[in-house]
Amino acid sequence: GNSVTQMEGPVTLSEEAFLTINCTYTATGYPSLFWYVQYPGEGLQLLLKATKADDKGSNKGFEATYRKETTSFHLEKGSVQVSDSAVYFCALSSPNAGNMLTFGGGTRLMVKP
Amino acid sequence: NAGVTQTPKFQVLKTGQSMTLQCAQDMNHEYMSWYRQDPGMGLRLIHYSVGAGITDQGEVPNGYNVSRSTTEDFPLRLLSAAPSQTSVYFCASSDRGNYGYTFGSGTRLTVV
Repeated sequence: GNSVTQMEGPVTLSEEAFLTINCTYTATGYPSLFWYVQYPGEGLQLLLKATKADDKGSNKGFEATYRKETTSFHLEKGSVQVSDSAVYFCALSSPNAGNMLTFGGGTRLMVKP
Repeated sequence: NAGVTQTPKFQVLKTGQSMTLQCAQDMNHEYMSWYRQDPGMGLRLIHYSVGAGITDQGEVPNGYNVSRSTTEDFPLRLLSAAPSQTSVYFCASSDRGNYGYTFGSGTRLTVV
């Protein structure tokens, strides 16, 4: 079946530091890949997506590239802010699973001023 | 736009009680799904629907029931609540699933 593995947290960074959160996946066929963000006490918000190999998703300074050869979709941001503190989830949807989402375990990011 | 609306936001149940978590979306999305979020386990799919009148089981369906009589509504029923069902529940909807889902703000359920 499909699965998503992402680095465990928490990840603690100082403001303006570079962020990488690793995500790898296992899926048959051609899944779509997503990063969702969850701020404290809230639901999940779609941060960015990529629907085919070599696509780069980007939003709010975050980027991730769909790498089929390494089955990866790592999240990066060049300069984090305190307001980026949240839990980040990597996820995929695949036609062979009814296009339902399969999530990684989530990575908590804490940014200190 | 309201998006995906979940009610209630918080609920405390006694073991053995039943209840329905409500979910409604106003985006005319065909796909709807229910997830539970537990510490350290990410989100796990409970039940899902790809259109009115069609439902199917996800990864953790036991103890839950769903129906989809309209495109807009997708209620989740707990038949006989157990402490293991203490969790945060999220409803989500999508046009076709492969371009992303919109999530509700969640229902925090405690079973004592």
